Amino acid sequence: QKEVEQNSGPLSVPEGAIASLNCTYSDRGSQSFFWYRQYSGKSPELIMFIYSNGDKEDGRFTAQLNKASQYVSLLIRDSQPSDSATYLCVNSIGNQFYFGTGTSLTVIP
Amino acid sequence: DAGVIQSPRHEVTEMGQEVTLRCKPISGHDYLFWYRQTMMRGLELLIYFNNNVPIDDSGMPEDRFSAKMPNASFSTLKIQPSEPRDSAVYFCASSLATGDTQYFGPGTRLTVL
Repeated sequence: QKEVEQNSGPLSVPEGAIASLNCTYSDRGSQSFFWYRQYSGKSPELIMFIYSNGDKEDGRFTAQLNKASQYVSLLIRDSQPSDSATYLCVNSIGNQFYFGTGTSLTVIP
Repeated sequence: DAGVIQSPRHEVTEMGQEVTLRCKPISGHDYLFWYRQTMMRGLELLIYFNNNVPIDDSGMPEDRFSAKMPNASFSTLKIQPSEPRDSAVYFCASSLATGDTQYFGPGTRLTVL
């Protein structure tokens, strides 16, 4: 049973545009969500986490959580070529992380 | 802090050989996780420890896989005997507390011929 679903992409956006990455989850008991970025050949690194309904902003990144609709999203404003990577949506339930399969983002200069 | 340390970074072995992957978590982190990543299946949790005790090993694919954590600063993941389908990147991660951010090591890329 998959806990987290993501569109695998690939998603391509031009430099300077807003990239929107989406994720849905199945467990209504889910407590928190994380977005990890993974460059090719590298390990996942944390971008943002969110616990409460609504938006959370950090620089060019905004995480959005809607528990009623069971979705979480990540917006990247003013996308840069260096943002090109795979973005992993993670659902934390208890002690465990459940990773989505990731969305591949390419920012075109 | 140096972050999570894994060794070796790359391992190439022949089918049937024993493989041992090593991990040193971030000091003070009580949780340690072993993951496997492949193109087909993405990131899969294999096993995790809390205070050196294995809590959930339901992700370990077969009896060929075993993991130990003899102390707070060291863990091993062993595959014996290895098979070509075990080829993947194996990540170790650690976290401070339940549901807290997990910090990943650089991974070990395992190739079984």
